[in-house]
Amino acid sequence: TQLLEQSPQFLSIQEGENLTVYCNSSSVFSSLQWYRQEPGEGPVLLVTVVTGGEVKKLKRLTFQFGDARKDSSLHITAAQPGDTGLYLCAGPTVSADGLTFGKGTHLIIQP
Amino acid sequence: SAVISQKPSRDICQRGTSLTIQCQVDSQVTMMFWYRQQPGQSLTLIATANQGSEATYESGFVIDKFPISRPNLTFSTLTVSNMSPEDSSIYLCSVGNGGLGDTQYFGPGTRLTVL
Repeated sequence: TQLLEQSPQFLSIQEGENLTVYCNSSSVFSSLQWYRQEPGEGPVLLVTVVTGGEVKKLKRLTFQFGDARKDSSLHITAAQPGDTGLYLCAGPTVSADGLTFGKGTHLIIQP
Repeated sequence: SAVISQKPSRDICQRGTSLTIQCQVDSQVTMMFWYRQQPGQSLTLIATANQGSEATYESGFVIDKFPISRPNLTFSTLTVSNMSPEDSSIYLCSVGNGGLGDTQYFGPGTRLTVL
């Protein structure tokens, strides 16, 4: 069974601060995805990383895929209240059809 | 991107009854999936809905409890059978076209409460 461990589970910080969220596994993944989910909605894809060592930037968000493709991180610079939400990392299941998700990081950015 | 709708958006049901959830996509897609998200938790894959054949279930989920249909490339249903309070969750449909790093798009979910 491929498990994805996310940390921290909860994070509450002030607007303007920086933060990093981690996604770790003992298994190698062919790709990892990061989603953001707001209450009452389905997850929305932020990024897909497929190459070990890859770094992708999306405005104030920086995503990194570990060299061994077993871990990933999401770094947010100068967090804003609009960044509040549940951040989920996900990777393909063993059958490579659906996705297996981490438990998520509940992020709150206080004004 | 794909636009996905689910019906109903929410429901409150009695123990022992069944509820069928519909998922409609605005374009033909290869893959359709059903996930469960228990209160405050992450998503767990229930099954892959296969067009014209039986769904492929993940460990811990069985067809008798969660029968799934997929009559065409834009529509699928998930039934939650003989419900108990432990089935109270958000049920989400997602779609994709397969392949490495494929993007999956999620519906808004169906919030089910079983009394």
